[in-house]
Amino acid sequence: DTAVSQTPKYLVTQMGNDKSIKCEQNLGHDTMYWYKQDSKKFLKIMFSYNNKELIINETVPNRFSPKSPDKAHLNLHINSLELGDSAVYFCASSRTETQYFGPGTRLLVL
Amino acid sequence: DQQVKQNSPSLSVQEGRISILNCDYTNSMFDYFLWYKKYPAEGPTFLISISSIKDKNEDGRFTVFLNKSAKHLSLHIVPSQPGDSAVYFCAASVVLDDKIIFGKGTRLHILP
Repeated sequence: DTAVSQTPKYLVTQMGNDKSIKCEQNLGHDTMYWYKQDSKKFLKIMFSYNNKELIINETVPNRFSPKSPDKAHLNLHINSLELGDSAVYFCASSRTETQYFGPGTRLLVL
Repeated sequence: DQQVKQNSPSLSVQEGRISILNCDYTNSMFDYFLWYKKYPAEGPTFLISISSIKDKNEDGRFTVFLNKSAKHLSLHIVPSQPGDSAVYFCAASVVLDDKIIFGKGTRLHILP
């Protein structure tokens, strides 16, 4: 049973397109996160939601919009994709201080 | 500004020996520290953590040491096994902030 799952695993798209990445957790956690791992391998937090409410919003372009339809889901929608958006995006969830990560979505913008 | 630094991008250790991965941090407000292990094409997996009120936490072959005065922590793996070959991320957080800051990672190679 996958605890934190993401779809799709790979996403190749053209510049200017709009795309979404989905995340689901079956751990019953209250808090979910989106991280970006860039080409320099840094894992940086983008957003976090607690019980469907946004609690962390780092310096991320407005083209990125998280949506949490319920506690178990946190989707990431990206408008007008740019070349610099190419990265691996990880979803995570937590109840306490420890976060559990999904397998990642590898986004390539051409 | 890197608040969590892993200065060794890679480390090679003979199977059966001790692997020591190091991590330094700059923010004295951090009160919780974690190590994650990552295999290629997978998400980071939680390995072990330590609260700032402790200086050592042990779980099987893995031990994390925290030196608050030096703002330094280390992960010891003994004995090292082939399956330990992975990238190890050090991470730190201020518990009330609910945000984890990650280091850049150290790639560990266990040699046969």
